[in-house]
Amino acid sequence: EIVLTQSPATLSLSPGERATLSCRASQSVSSYLAWYQQKPGQAPRLLIYDASNRATGIPARFSGSGSGTDFTLTISSLEPEDFAVYYCQQRSNWPVTFGPGTKVDIK
Amino acid sequence: QVQLVESGGGLVKPGGSLRLSCAASGFTFSDYYMSWIRQAPGKGLEWVSYISSSGSTIYYADSVKGRFTISRDNAKNSLYLQMNSLRAEDTAVYYCARDLAAVAADYYFDYWGQGTLVTVSS
Repeated sequence: EIVLTQSPATLSLSPGERATLSCRASQSVSSYLAWYQQKPGQAPRLLIYDASNRATGIPARFSGSGSGTDFTLTISSLEPEDFAVYYCQQRSNWPVTFGPGTKVDIK
Repeated sequence: QVQLVESGGGLVKPGGSLRLSCAASGFTFSDYYMSWIRQAPGKGLEWVSYISSSGSTIYYADSVKGRFTISRDNAKNSLYLQMNSLRAEDTAVYYCARDLAAVAADYYFDYWGQGTLVTVSS
């Protein structure tokens, strides 16, 4: 099973700042990585798939990069609604696995 | 619009059983692979089970294999999860989720239900 590690666990930033979230895989997942956003009491929302493709309706301030074992989700300028928990997920090897999440909270 | 609505959660004793349902609407259900994904209280996401569009291919996480059974009824636009021999560690919100791609497997999840809480406790 591929283990995903996310860092930092918590990121404290102010609206308007740039957020950089990291996801590292225990072995190569090629570009088969997705990012999800989850707000309290809500289901996760798909943001990015195949490392860098934005899902339908996702604002351009969200971007993904990376391949192999190291991936990054960047939020170029945080909006108030972006404060949430972010999970990465790999689909390269079965079973699909999720990272433990990074919480982006308001500084 | 795409909607997934789970039901069937509740409080059950260890060793008991529960059947979850997920009613789908707003898309051609029979075209999509579907999954169940769970989230223990205050914890991260864990994929549980997956079923192909026709129901011919099924996968389970090792943690539920032999105890849970996924199924679907394309005529009723519904997905199910039969959970037997429940344990305390199965306590979680259970989400049904749609695969991103139609027809072919994609293993990314673009639509999720609101979730149904399963609590296993004596």
